[in-house]
Amino acid sequence: EVQLVESGGGLVQPGGSLRLSCAASGFTFSTYWMTWVRRTPGKGLEWVATIKPDEGEKYYVDSVRGRFTISRDNAKNSLYLQMSSLRAEDTAVYYCAGDKSGSMIYWGQGTLVTVSS
Amino acid sequence: DIQMTQSPSTLSASVGDRVTITCRASQSISVWLAWYQQKPGKAPNLLIYKASDLESGVPSRFSGSGSGTEFTLTISSLQPDDFATYYCQQFDRYPRTFGQGTKVEI
Repeated sequence: EVQLVESGGGLVQPGGSLRLSCAASGFTFSTYWMTWVRRTPGKGLEWVATIKPDEGEKYYVDSVRGRFTISRDNAKNSLYLQMSSLRAEDTAVYYCAGDKSGSMIYWGQGTLVTVSS
Repeated sequence: DIQMTQSPSTLSASVGDRVTITCRASQSISVWLAWYQQKPGKAPNLLIYKASDLESGVPSRFSGSGSGTEFTLTISSLQPDDFATYYCQQFDRYPRTFGQGTKVEI
């Protein structure tokens, strides 16, 4: 059974940092492109970042480029999102997803990030 | 960036209805479009990929069509389990973008 389990969300002050993790099982993680998607109340679903299996390519939405870093550890079947300089508008449920040729086939249950003072 | 526009934003329907949701891209994306269903408190679920390919395990009452800039998701006979929000997403180029969502309600 495929499982993606996110962790690391929580309440953080504006300007703060947070590291999200996603533990994968039930599929060959090292061969999949992986993606972070977030859901905000006002904007619906928003693609955040995608990483190639060998970390050779990484892509970001403009609003997080330079503040967020996507990475992975294939030996640990894990995906990460390091978030810094957090803003109120980064408040969202963050999902990790396994990418099948551009469409997201596997999804975690999400982790809530709240940026507030 | 490619803008994805869904219509309608909200759709009121009854069990057994045929439902159609439209997604328009601001420029051609060939067939590089996916459709997802999301229920409250749950992760999105892939329904359709490459505009018209049904994901494994998805009921056959769901179908997708279109290419270029205009796409549709059709539910042939709405079931109680189908009341949810539906999103289109283009994967022709980065940044990948989603439509704003269509809520299907009673």
